[in-house]
Amino acid sequence: QKEVEQNSGPLSVPEGAIASLNCTYSDRGSQSFFWYRQYSGKSPELIMSIYSNGDKEDGRFTAQLNKASQYVSLLIRDSQPSDSATYLCAAGDPYYGQNFVFGPGTRLSVLP
Amino acid sequence: DVKVTQSSRYLVKRTGEKVFLECVQDMDHENMFWYRQDPGLGLRLIYFSYDVKMKEKGDIPEGYSVSREKKERFSLILESASTNQTSMYLCASSSSEGRKGSYEQYFGPGTRLTVT
Repeated sequence: QKEVEQNSGPLSVPEGAIASLNCTYSDRGSQSFFWYRQYSGKSPELIMSIYSNGDKEDGRFTAQLNKASQYVSLLIRDSQPSDSATYLCAAGDPYYGQNFVFGPGTRLSVLP
Repeated sequence: DVKVTQSSRYLVKRTGEKVFLECVQDMDHENMFWYRQDPGLGLRLIYFSYDVKMKEKGDIPEGYSVSREKKERFSLILESASTNQTSMYLCASSSSEGRKGSYEQYFGPGTRLTVT
């Protein structure tokens, strides 16, 4: 059973702090990883994708991948109240490459 | 920008009705997906399609069927709607081109279906 696990939260951080969201995956063959942001009542929006070990930065967002530990994380610097949302981690299925295995999501609350 | 549209944002149907949900993407993507999302259960894949007229079952295909007659359009059909199919339905699409394993999925706005 392929699984992606996330802490459901809520994770609360003060405005301006760094929010750290974590994700682990079970299938060692997974090659691609994605972070989606989902506001309440809305659809998921892709914010980061990462394929290689290490860090990938995009504005205030940094994705980190450690394939040996089967661990993906998302750091949000200078968190804003508008970052309050549920963050979904997804791993690409190595068998059906176009399919994803989604985690349950972590709810982030940024307090003004 | 990738644009994925869904035919309705909100839909209310009666038990036993046949329900059609339509999804259209304008990026010439090969792959299209139907998910449902329920509180506590996350995103679950119903069906996906990697080409016109091709379809594969996802994790929860029971009670659903799909149709893909044109590359840009992927329809989800509830043959006889039941109350346990009340949910948020999300369509997504992705390209098979470019970097191997990229397959970034882009979602439509979702259809909140209520079956009474």
